[in-house]
Amino acid sequence: SQQGEEDPQALSIQEGENATMNCSYKTSINNLQWYRQNSGRGLVHLILIRSNEREKHSGRLRVTLDTSKKSSSLLITASRAADTASYFCATGPLSGNTGKLIFGQGTTLQVKP
Amino acid sequence: GAGVSQSPRYKVAKRGQDVALRCDPISGHVSLFWYQQALGQGPEFLTYFQNEAQLDKSGLPSDRFFAERPEGSVSTLKIQRTQQEDSAVYLCASSLVSSGGVAKNIQYFGAGTRLSVL
Repeated sequence: SQQGEEDPQALSIQEGENATMNCSYKTSINNLQWYRQNSGRGLVHLILIRSNEREKHSGRLRVTLDTSKKSSSLLITASRAADTASYFCATGPLSGNTGKLIFGQGTTLQVKP
Repeated sequence: GAGVSQSPRYKVAKRGQDVALRCDPISGHVSLFWYQQALGQGPEFLTYFQNEAQLDKSGLPSDRFFAERPEGSVSTLKIQRTQQEDSAVYLCASSLVSSGGVAKNIQYFGAGTRLSVL
């Protein structure tokens, strides 16, 4: 049973546009991470934001976290065709912490050249 | 290699057959995780090892699933008497730090094993 829900489930944009994906979760967390998965491949870590942080940047990526609303967003600016992939948020739960990640269902992003 | 390696990449099994999936984590990584990813879904946690100790197996869906990491490095996920609902991609991930306290570890994933049960 997955904790996170992401929207939209699918997003199609033109190269150069910005892409925004949202993630909601249910329980208390100590961190939230975003991963990318290209078709038929494993997941690649993009960025981690701790529960006491509100915003974090990494290159063209901007992540926000609102723990009061239990939600996060990932913004990819100036998108490129190579950004085409599925994006997953994953939370590290606060209690019983083994380091396991709980993933959302993902957003499939298509960037058209 | 520098990354997490999984084998085989693809496995086709007849219903009722036993399968074994292998994971070679990044050298020196303490933590190892197995996840199951159904088509069009996000990965779901199966089990976690810290070195050779299996500290969390709460995600294993039935007693047909068994995982081991006897020397704290390579891990094997075994599925006995496979069923059609076991068809999925099985992902292995490793991380450098152990759990305990605040888990801020970044997990490095292998490409996965796609299991198809006919």
